Amino acid sequence: GESVGLHLPTLSVQEGDNSIINCAYSNSASDYFIWYKQESGKGPQFIIDIRSNMDKRQGQRVTVLLNKTVKHLSLQIAATQPGDSAVYFCAESRPGDYKLSFGAGTTVTVRA
Amino acid sequence: EAGVAQSPRYKIIEKRQSVAFWCNPISGHATLYWYQQILGQGPKLLIQFQNNGVVDDSQLPKDRFSAERLKGVDSTLKIQPAKLEDSAVYLCASSSGTSGRGNEQFFGPGTRLTVL
Repeated sequence: GESVGLHLPTLSVQEGDNSIINCAYSNSASDYFIWYKQESGKGPQFIIDIRSNMDKRQGQRVTVLLNKTVKHLSLQIAATQPGDSAVYFCAESRPGDYKLSFGAGTTVTVRA
Repeated sequence: EAGVAQSPRYKIIEKRQSVAFWCNPISGHATLYWYQQILGQGPKLLIQFQNNGVVDDSQLPKDRFSAERLKGVDSTLKIQPAKLEDSAVYLCASSSGTSGRGNEQFFGPGTRLTVL
């Protein structure tokens, strides 16, 4: 079965608000995590990644938080814009395993 | 910089027919991946190439799927014969590194396959 999963399949957000997308993983050995954004008709696009020796990493308008105690990963998007509407996937890999395992995705819809 | 190119973008076939997809990775990228993405799911890795050699094909249904990467650049993925459950988007990705860990994978737009 899948090693990662997202709490909610859909998320509706008001434009300008902050978005939080959650992901749970089951294998405590996972040590590398990535968030991807996939717009309709396009391939996934890298957003941000984090290694297990960190609990927070920030990018442009995005922050990834990692809680290894409860095996939980979240992506925060500040000041959500219409262009942020997409499906968001978390992916993980384990030491010695070069492959990425993707979760099912959360569809984010931004309301004007 | 040109991205990952895939063709065709759409393909509709009947079950038991054959189909082939083509991928041209980003220039200089040694690693190439084929993923299958069923509607509503995340991408699932089918096969990974390092140059023209196969690194991992453990999730490739080898009784009907085959892939090659001649000369370590372009790649083709073939399905023969297709089944209804093969309906999905087939994504190609490439990276400069040997692993998905810390080496960004750049995805193409995908080929949407419908098997009737």
